[in-house]
Amino acid sequence: QLQLQESGPGLVKSSETLSLICTVSGDSIRSSPYFWGWIRQSPGKGLEWIGSIDDRGNIYYNPSLKSRLTISMDRSKNQVSLELSAVTAADTARYFCARDGRQFQLLFEFDHWGQGTLVTVTS
Amino acid sequence: QSVLTQPPSASGTPGQRVTISCSGSSSNIESHTVNWFQQLPGTAPKLLIYGNDQRPSGVPDRFSASKSGTSASLAISGLQSEDESDYYCAAWDDSLNDYLFGAGTKVTVL
Repeated sequence: QLQLQESGPGLVKSSETLSLICTVSGDSIRSSPYFWGWIRQSPGKGLEWIGSIDDRGNIYYNPSLKSRLTISMDRSKNQVSLELSAVTAADTARYFCARDGRQFQLLFEFDHWGQGTLVTVTS
Repeated sequence: QSVLTQPPSASGTPGQRVTISCSGSSSNIESHTVNWFQQLPGTAPKLLIYGNDQRPSGVPDRFSASKSGTSASLAISGLQSEDESDYYCAAWDDSLNDYLFGAGTKVTVL
């Protein structure tokens, strides 16, 4: 059964870099036909797509975050990573990783989600 | 204000039919497929509808969706108490080069 688990520091200081890991179990991301995405949700607010990555070197970023964002894969650890630099209070959110359910296509049909991890940016 | 516009709330009594609208434009809904997500309180979103009107396995057929032009809609028929949740429409936008979510609609079962 596919499971995704986000992990990382719950508190990040303003202007520093937020680093999160999504550990995938029940499937191998190496040579996987799927995209893996990051989505966040600010407290009490809606959802925002951050970016998506697949094992063929395709990476897509939210344009509003692109200048501060790096998404990568560690195939040996079956993990997808997110780094967001120069964070501000506006980056305080619950961060989710999710699998895009359509093979070989970026359709954002996120059919498996992690439980999310809350990141608070402090001053 | 979201590019994809949803009503903030909707409600109905058990057994009723509730419809949620999602209004967009030619650069998003009209040009790309719409997905719908359900988010129960304190949980991760769940894919409810993909490809405009397709239900993943396990989603009851009480949930249906459609798309016409620049708008999409989600219908819940035979409303049940467990349907009380937030519902989000989503679609890619060519102008923004971004995957957009609506602001969400909170469904209350009266």
